[in-house]
Amino acid sequence: GQQVQQSPSSLVLQEGENAELQCNFSSTATQLQWFYQSPGGSLVSLLSNPSGTKHTGRLTSTTVTKERRSSLHISSSQTTDSGTYLCAIYSNTDKVVFGTGTRLQVSP
Amino acid sequence: EAGVTQSPRYAVLQEGQAVSFWCDPISGHDTLYWYQQPRDQGPQLLVYFRDEAVIDNSQLPSDRFSAVRPKGTNSTLKIQSAKQGDTATYLCASSPDRGSAETLYFGSGTRLTVL
Repeated sequence: GQQVQQSPSSLVLQEGENAELQCNFSSTATQLQWFYQSPGGSLVSLLSNPSGTKHTGRLTSTTVTKERRSSLHISSSQTTDSGTYLCAIYSNTDKVVFGTGTRLQVSP
Repeated sequence: EAGVTQSPRYAVLQEGQAVSFWCDPISGHDTLYWYQQPRDQGPQLLVYFRDEAVIDNSQLPSDRFSAVRPKGTNSTLKIQSAKQGDTATYLCASSPDRGSAETLYFGSGTRLTVL
């Protein structure tokens, strides 16, 4: 089945620095979604990017479908960005499969 | 629009005890998912429904876990005889679209600790 690997597993930044998160998946994906999970546990969708480059606010995602990889760039990080970032893939197996997550900590 | 509601928020059990988790999806969402998220891991799908029908429960440990959605709205996930390895956050999600990550909405989860 589909496997989704994320790197790094954890990342510590100073406020204002940029973050680069990676997601690699094992087979063709028809959808790719980045989620944010707060330290309290709730998950919210950040953006959907099955291919190409998409921007929203300080977030930029680039997905290279044929290479089965996606990145999430967070510019000018803030302490409120701290949490876990999850990549999720939907393929033709009709399931949404999540990656292992990147835990981001932004210090003031 | 109300979001996905889960209860209880926390549960602490001794090994061998039973527990039930409840999920109320967003009104009109026909697809409902239960995920298990162990500490420091991503969510792992246990079971999902379309209306009242189970579509995939291949990852649900059937000897101790069960899940129902009798009227195609609310759902209950039950663990009989919990084990320490069941310690995790249990997340419910709903979607108006079949298997769409883009329209997946999550509840706050139930954090289970089995002692």
